[in-house]
Amino acid sequence: GQNIDQPTEMTATEGAIVQINCTYQTSGFNGLFWYQQHAGEAPTFLSYNVLDGLEEKGRFSSFLSRSKGYSYLLLKELQMKDSASYLCAVRGPNAGNNRKLIWGLGTSLAVNP
Amino acid sequence: GAVVSQHPSWVICKSGTSVKIECRSLDFQATTMFWYRQFPKQSLMLMATSNEGSKATYEQGVEKDKFLINHASLTLSTLTVTSAHPEDSSFYICSARDPEYNEQFFGPGTRLTVL
Repeated sequence: GQNIDQPTEMTATEGAIVQINCTYQTSGFNGLFWYQQHAGEAPTFLSYNVLDGLEEKGRFSSFLSRSKGYSYLLLKELQMKDSASYLCAVRGPNAGNNRKLIWGLGTSLAVNP
Repeated sequence: GAVVSQHPSWVICKSGTSVKIECRSLDFQATTMFWYRQFPKQSLMLMATSNEGSKATYEQGVEKDKFLINHASLTLSTLTVTSAHPEDSSFYICSARDPEYNEQFFGPGTRLTVL
C-alpha cells in the first residue's frame, strides 16, 4: 500500500529551528516533495529530493534517505510568516508526465513570538 | 517557475446547478493536469488526472459523472461539478507539471459554496 506519515501539529518559537519529519512506504519512488500551504491558499513548492542527502535553499533544507523511507524539512530562523501547513508528497512510479503525487496529511506548524 | 491560473477564485451557487472551473497553464504546455479537493483543515485529496486529448483518470470513490473533466488543449483543463449539493462545498485546486521542472505547480484554487 501507499502510506505517508508526518506529525499532525508542531509548535516552535520565532528565531528557532524546527525539523518536520516524514516517513513513507510506497510501491515506487520517483522523488519526494515538500510544499507549504497557508490557510485558504494553494500549496507552494519548497523542495525536491530524489537522491539521498541534504538540499539547502536559504532558510529551508530538506533531507532524504531512500533506504529508510525518511525525509525531513528543516526550517531555520523561524519567522511568524512560517506558520502554515507543510505537506510531504512522494511521486509515484507511473511513467512519463502522468506521475501523480501521493500526499501526506500535512503538519500544521505554529510559530509563536 | 511555471504559472497556473484558475477561474473563478470563488463561486456561490444554488443546490442543483452546475459549476465550471477552469485551469490554465500560462507559460507552458501541460499534457497532464491534476484536480484536487480540500476540505477545511484536511490534506489535499486527488480527484482525477486530466489528460489532454483523452479521458480523465478518476481516483477511487470519485464520481466521474458528477465531476466532469475536459482537457481540450495543452493549456486548459476544466472541471464541471454537476448538480452541485452543499456537501460539494470545498476548495478545488488544480495543478500541472511543467516538463522543464520536477515539481507540480498549483493554481490559486477555487472556493465553491453550494447553498
